[in-house]
Amino acid sequence: DTGVSQDPRHKITKRGQNVTFRCDPISEHNRLYWYRQTLGQGPEFLTYFQNEAQLEKSRLLSDRFSAERPKGSFSTLEIQRTEQGDSAMYLCASSPRGAAIGETQYFGPGTRLLVL
Amino acid sequence: AQSVTQLGSHVSVSEGALVLLRCNYSSSVPPYLFWYVQYPNQGLQLLLKYTTGATLVKGINGFEAEFKKSETSFHLTKPSAHMSDAAEYFCAVSLNQGGKLIFGQGTELSVKP
Repeated sequence: DTGVSQDPRHKITKRGQNVTFRCDPISEHNRLYWYRQTLGQGPEFLTYFQNEAQLEKSRLLSDRFSAERPKGSFSTLEIQRTEQGDSAMYLCASSPRGAAIGETQYFGPGTRLLVL
Repeated sequence: AQSVTQLGSHVSVSEGALVLLRCNYSSSVPPYLFWYVQYPNQGLQLLLKYTTGATLVKGINGFEAEFKKSETSFHLTKPSAHMSDAAEYFCAVSLNQGGKLIFGQGTELSVKP
């Protein structure tokens, strides 16, 4: 049973470019979450999926951000027209069986984004 | 609205000393509480969680935490610190809907030899 994987692990881009991150959850986990973590802060919730349905988006997720989870398996997070303020660690997590309350979320290693 | 406050952004202890990391929460409903650990350049790993039942929760690596409803606290302790415990620790609360986690700002634990 492999853990949550994220690709790439590091991304450096220039302001204004588009970037896309991928998350592969633990097999058969129904829920998938995206969080953003800036330096010295705790992770902040961005969005989550129950299977392929995106059920909630944070106000932190501006129009430049879009996430998908086709077929309820892997997920992608795209940032369009990146800004320096988007520089952060983007974390993905998954949890099993869709039983949300109190269920453990398993985190991936994260994708560290630096926008120059 | 739920929130989590971790008192002390940086805690330093000597090897073998007691570790105490403080976490207070606010919640209008019974909370589900978590402690995660993050090593440099890695994701978060669950140490322990409280959902229901026994208020003293034991986790991995010798850590434990006690849920105190009257004090709205969920402090993390370990009797004897090891060098390998040096990391960032996050307390989090789970909301009733969606299961998303609300994290505190984190406490960096340093262990001196």
